[in-house]
Amino acid sequence: AQKITQTQPGMFVQEKEAVTLDCTYDTSDQSYGLFWYKQPSSGEMIFLIYQGSYDEQNATEGRYSLNFQKARKSANLVISASQLGDSAMYFCAMREGGNQGGKLIFGQGTELSVKP
Amino acid sequence: GAGVSQTPSNKVTEKGKYVELRCDPISGHTALYWYRQSLGQGPEFLIYFQGTGAADDSGLPNDRFFAVRPEGSVSTLKIQRTERGDSAVYLCASSPTDRSYEQYFGPGTRLTVT
Repeated sequence: AQKITQTQPGMFVQEKEAVTLDCTYDTSDQSYGLFWYKQPSSGEMIFLIYQGSYDEQNATEGRYSLNFQKARKSANLVISASQLGDSAMYFCAMREGGNQGGKLIFGQGTELSVKP
Repeated sequence: GAGVSQTPSNKVTEKGKYVELRCDPISGHTALYWYRQSLGQGPEFLIYFQGTGAADDSGLPNDRFFAVRPEGSVSTLKIQRTERGDSAVYLCASSPTDRSYEQYFGPGTRLTVT
């Protein structure tokens, strides 16, 4: 069974507008972490934001926020005030288990294009 | 400071040959991860080291793949008898400890098997 599902292969957004990238996950663990990474055309994976399963508040990092809905098992990324440089692939990922380390399980990704 | 580096950036090899891919983690990072990313897909976990030992190698696809980290710093991913299906970008990541949640990725090695 797929553990991380990103249902939007591609998204378009107008510059300066907000955009939501969807992510749902599947796990039987009570303790887990959710991540979003950005991958520009250069190929390097850039960490954006992290949400722990026990965190009560939604994570925010600058223009990025994570809309965490535990009961729905969703962890959507919201980018506010989109910029041209936000055009890239975005990956949602999960780390299972109570320890902080360990492998990340990635979704298929969403390609975001920001229009001027 | 210097980030994670990977060499070579590109490698083209013939089917059946042996290849080695190198990863230099951020200095002082004890945890090191290898992932493989096929075209149009998200990265897939291969193996994870904490120090010199492989803490989880459950993602290695078969016994043609092997990785080492003899001194707890640089790691080498070794692929024997390469197949065309091994063509992918191989990503390395490191983190300060295996208790840290953030993994810092290198630029990857693009492997093409002809």
